[in-house]
Amino acid sequence: DAGVIQSPRHEVTEMGQEVTLRCKPISGHNSLFWYRQTMMRGLELLIYFNNNVPIDDSGMPEDRFSAKMPNASFSTLKIQPSEPRDSAVYFCASSSGGTDVSYEQYFGPGTRLTVT
Amino acid sequence: GDSVTQMEGPVTLSEEAFLTINCTYTATGYPSLFWYVQYPGEGLQLLLKATKADDKGSNKGFEATYRKETTSFHLEKGSVQVSDSAVYFCALSDPGSARQLTFGSGTQLTVLP
Repeated sequence: DAGVIQSPRHEVTEMGQEVTLRCKPISGHNSLFWYRQTMMRGLELLIYFNNNVPIDDSGMPEDRFSAKMPNASFSTLKIQPSEPRDSAVYFCASSSGGTDVSYEQYFGPGTRLTVT
Repeated sequence: GDSVTQMEGPVTLSEEAFLTINCTYTATGYPSLFWYVQYPGEGLQLLLKATKADDKGSNKGFEATYRKETTSFHLEKGSVQVSDSAVYFCALSDPGSARQLTFGSGTQLTVLP
């Protein structure tokens, strides 16, 4: 099993540009989570999907952020336009199904985004 | 709402020292509790978990016991190694939150040889 795959691993872009982060969850997992990690705010949940449907996007900072999950094996997080304060490490995580809250979340290696 | 409070870091220890990282929580239901570890440049990995009161989670020499009466889930290890240097996160999953995790702020541990 390859684990959760994220791309790119590093992204440097200029303010105002569009940024797209990609995630491939573990095969068979039906929950997918996007997190943002910064020194100031720690680890924040941005949005999560269950069976490809967005369940809770209350953590999305503002309208510049959007996320999609067109199928069970792919999700994107888009920032348009990007701003320097969006600089952070963005993690994707996936989890298997069921209602058991003890299900483990498996994290990808993260995308380090720098907006200049 | 749910919350997790971890002891402030960073924590610096010598190899073979005893480790305790405190974690307390607030939750409306009966949560599952987790410790995740993040090594430099990597994502978070589950270290151990406990799903009900008095359960003890253990892995790689680390232990934590779910204490409902004190709402705590402190992480311990009897003898740390340099390779344990990482950031440790306490987290909970509340039955009412549909598998979402609430994380603590993380504790940076550095183990010196």
